[in-house]
Amino acid sequence: QSALTQPASVSGSPGQSITISCTGTSSDVGGYNYVSWYQQYPGQAPKLMIYDVTNRPSGVSNRFSGSKSGNTASLTISGIQSEDEADYYCSSYTSSNTPYVFGTGTKVTVL
Amino acid sequence: EVQLGESGGGLVQPGGSLRLSCETSGFTFSSYWMHWVRQAPGKGLVWFSRINSDGSSTYYADSVKGRFTISRDNTKNTLYLQMNSLRAEDTAVYYCSRIPVGGTRAFDIWGQGTTVTVSS
Repeated sequence: QSALTQPASVSGSPGQSITISCTGTSSDVGGYNYVSWYQQYPGQAPKLMIYDVTNRPSGVSNRFSGSKSGNTASLTISGIQSEDEADYYCSSYTSSNTPYVFGTGTKVTVL
Repeated sequence: EVQLGESGGGLVQPGGSLRLSCETSGFTFSSYWMHWVRQAPGKGLVWFSRINSDGSSTYYADSVKGRFTISRDNTKNTLYLQMNSLRAEDTAVYYCSRIPVGGTRAFDIWGQGTTVTVSS
């Protein structure tokens, strides 16, 4: 099972909106509404930011939103802040030989 | 407060073994499927094993199948990972995580991770 494809890096100035894409196949992203997104600071554990494509866990800022079209899911961070500078990973349930696959990861930089 | 905490990592020679533990608290451990995810230095997250809520069903990625064994003790609220025949490519931070039964497929809580280094 190959990792889902994410851009290696995305940057934006404070207050701008950025979008991170996550491209898979019809066996994972396109086939299920089970895409989730994780934020990870260096040396720390991942933190769930979005689940089931569009849902935010309690306590996660509403500046974070998720969507999906076909085999590509997206995470949008609106009004980006310095505290959003981190690595972000998507994940999807899959029908392939492993039930879960993560994306390649995207480093978000706030300029 | 829901908590997961891994332990047991360390430095081991190629071909050696380690047993990781993931102690949990703050939730009904026996209701959750549990998972192991690892992250090699400077690399991304990789899922590689899961166990169902009562321990009767396990699943492994090909990369660890036949070498790693996932298990759990619901009386101790603890998840385990027995790692044998370790290779240099198993060097990583190992995280335990959970996914609720019958709902989302998202890993909602993660441990802080434990580092495994395989080197001579």
